[in-house]
Amino acid sequence: SQQGEEDPQALSIQEGENATMNCSYKTSINNLQWYRQNSGRGLVHLILIRSNEREKHSGRLRVTLDTSKKSSSLLITASRAADTASYFCATLHAGGTSYGKLTFGQGTILTVHP
Amino acid sequence: DGGITQSPKYLFRKEGQNVTLSCEQNLNHDAMYWYRQDPGQGLRLIYYSQIVNDFQKGDIAEGYSVSREKKESFPLTVTSAQKNPTAFYLCASNDQGSSYNSPLHFGNGTRLTVT
Repeated sequence: SQQGEEDPQALSIQEGENATMNCSYKTSINNLQWYRQNSGRGLVHLILIRSNEREKHSGRLRVTLDTSKKSSSLLITASRAADTASYFCATLHAGGTSYGKLTFGQGTILTVHP
Repeated sequence: DGGITQSPKYLFRKEGQNVTLSCEQNLNHDAMYWYRQDPGQGLRLIYYSQIVNDFQKGDIAEGYSVSREKKESFPLTVTSAQKNPTAFYLCASNDQGSSYNSPLHFGNGTRLTVT
């Protein structure tokens, strides 16, 4: 079963604008991760935020996590055409038999127009 | 450079034939994973292995089989029992033995088409 639900399904913006993608999940997590996928390629890890963290930055990326609302957001600032890709959130379940297993959302397709 | 190699990139098979997808990593990771991705969908876990000679079923293991005889290799066989095998298959690995917070490293996938 897929835990992460992403919103919006698709996002189209102009270069230089900010892009915000949201992820909601259902059960308690150990951490939440964001990945990027260029068309026809594998996924690339962007950023990991632990359940006891609220915000993390990496370059132009900013991730927030609200465990009370079971949601996270990924903000890409000053977007570039090269940011065009699909973005996925993935959650690691807290304990149980799901050790090390990530559950992926369906992704947000981001298109950045030059 | 370290990484994960999946081969072939494209694979075409007739219905009823078994087919094996290759996945090799030189990252010295203990854990390896196979995911399936359908168009417009997220990834679904097929099988995973945390150590050599051991593996567990994921969420959609029916119709698939794996082996883990070497740390570097985790081949996936799509059998004729898999009803909808046409998909994009992704192999991944991580250093899960060290912590929960080890991100996945992915190969570039194999696109399997069965007709």
